[in-house]
Amino acid sequence: NAGVTQTPKFRILKIGQSMTLQCTQDMNHNYMYWYRQDPGMGLKLIYYSVGAGITDKGEVPNGYNVSRSTTEDFPLRLELAAPSQTSVYFCASSYGELFFGEGSRLTVL
Amino acid sequence: AQSVTQLDSQVPVFEEAPVELRCNYSSSVSVYLFWYVQYPNQGLQLLLKYLSGSTLVKGINGFEAEFNKSQTSFHLRKPSVHISDTAEYFCAVSGRYMNTGFQKLVFGTGTRLLVSP
Repeated sequence: NAGVTQTPKFRILKIGQSMTLQCTQDMNHNYMYWYRQDPGMGLKLIYYSVGAGITDKGEVPNGYNVSRSTTEDFPLRLELAAPSQTSVYFCASSYGELFFGEGSRLTVL
Repeated sequence: AQSVTQLDSQVPVFEEAPVELRCNYSSSVSVYLFWYVQYPNQGLQLLLKYLSGSTLVKGINGFEAEFNKSQTSFHLRKPSVHISDTAEYFCAVSGRYMNTGFQKLVFGTGTRLLVSP
């Protein structure tokens, strides 16, 4: 079982660059989420989706965009990378409990 | 709105000793409570959850937690820890829980459990 798969696992960006973090799940879950984890801060919800074509903002959406064209995929886009977006990003899907990917570590220099 | 406070950022303990990781929550509505574990360089994994019913909840790997509504707490306990329990533990709260599987969790800042021989 693949579960929730995130790519890339590591990435270094320059300020102002753009990139997309990919997330795909093979459990047919309707609900998917993007969190960021910063040291000593726990996890903060960036965006979530309740199904294909439906997304909504979480606690910290500024600087990010998402789309949900299929049940399986929920990519997170950073349009103009800033140092404040240096973090570990987790994608998750849920049915009764959250299932997390292994994370994507992003550094913006 | 809900919030979660994990009072200890780090808890060192010797192998085979008991441990308690503290979690307090704040909410104006009924809550559902969760503990997740994160091993190094991995995602989070559900340890246990309280939705309703018995206030003592048993989870995986020998962990248990007790929901105390009057003290707004959901402390995690294990009677005897192993080296392999070294990880970060997150308490989380949700103001609603749907059987369809949707959860909008608010996480605490985490407690790092360090188990030494």
